[in-house]
Amino acid sequence: AQSVTQPDIHITVSEGASLELRCNYSYGATPYLFWYVQSPGQGLQLLLKYFSGDTLVQGIKGFEAEFKRSQSSFNLRKPSVHWSDAAEYFCAVDNMDSNYQLIWGAGTKLIIKP
Amino acid sequence: DTEVTQTPKHLVMGMTNKKSLKCEQHMGHRAMYWYKQKAKKPPELMFVYSYEKLSINESVPSRFSPECPNSSLLNLHLHALQPEDSALYLCASSQGLAGGNSYEQYFGPGTRLTVT
Repeated sequence: AQSVTQPDIHITVSEGASLELRCNYSYGATPYLFWYVQSPGQGLQLLLKYFSGDTLVQGIKGFEAEFKRSQSSFNLRKPSVHWSDAAEYFCAVDNMDSNYQLIWGAGTKLIIKP
Repeated sequence: DTEVTQTPKHLVMGMTNKKSLKCEQHMGHRAMYWYKQKAKKPPELMFVYSYEKLSINESVPSRFSPECPNSSLLNLHLHALQPEDSALYLCASSQGLAGGNSYEQYFGPGTRLTVT
């Protein structure tokens, strides 16, 4: 069965510093991968997605993610965080065994230090 | 326009009440979803509609009743809920069901439901 692991429950970063959020998946082939962000009390917003092709994908709000097949990872990065980036970040994988369901990581809460 | 709207934003209801949540999208998407999200957890899939037909019910109790009146609207009817049903209810839509060509899901802001 597929699974998604976000090993960091929360991460604290100073404003202006770089950020990397980790995501590892378990699946035999290359899945479809997503990063979503959820601000407090809000819905989820798609930051970026990877389906195929270039392994470095650009998203909204200055985020990017790199798919590394050898490490089964899809880590999210941003070169310089802003206080408005404080939110919960979810990595998700398309369930290749079922054509409708996303498999979600547990989420990483990003805290920004002023 | 990639917007999914949900009403109401907040809802407080007693265990004997009947209420409905509403979701709307005008992106021409043919798949719509209901999720339940508890605090500090990822969303849990409840229902999926494809072309206005219920495709999946993830073993959701019958006190939750979905309805898809047309391709733009999705409702969730609530009756005799329990306090543990208090959560954020999210609606999402996608161009279609994935089926090997994954379509990203667009989420609404959610309805914060409190059952007293």
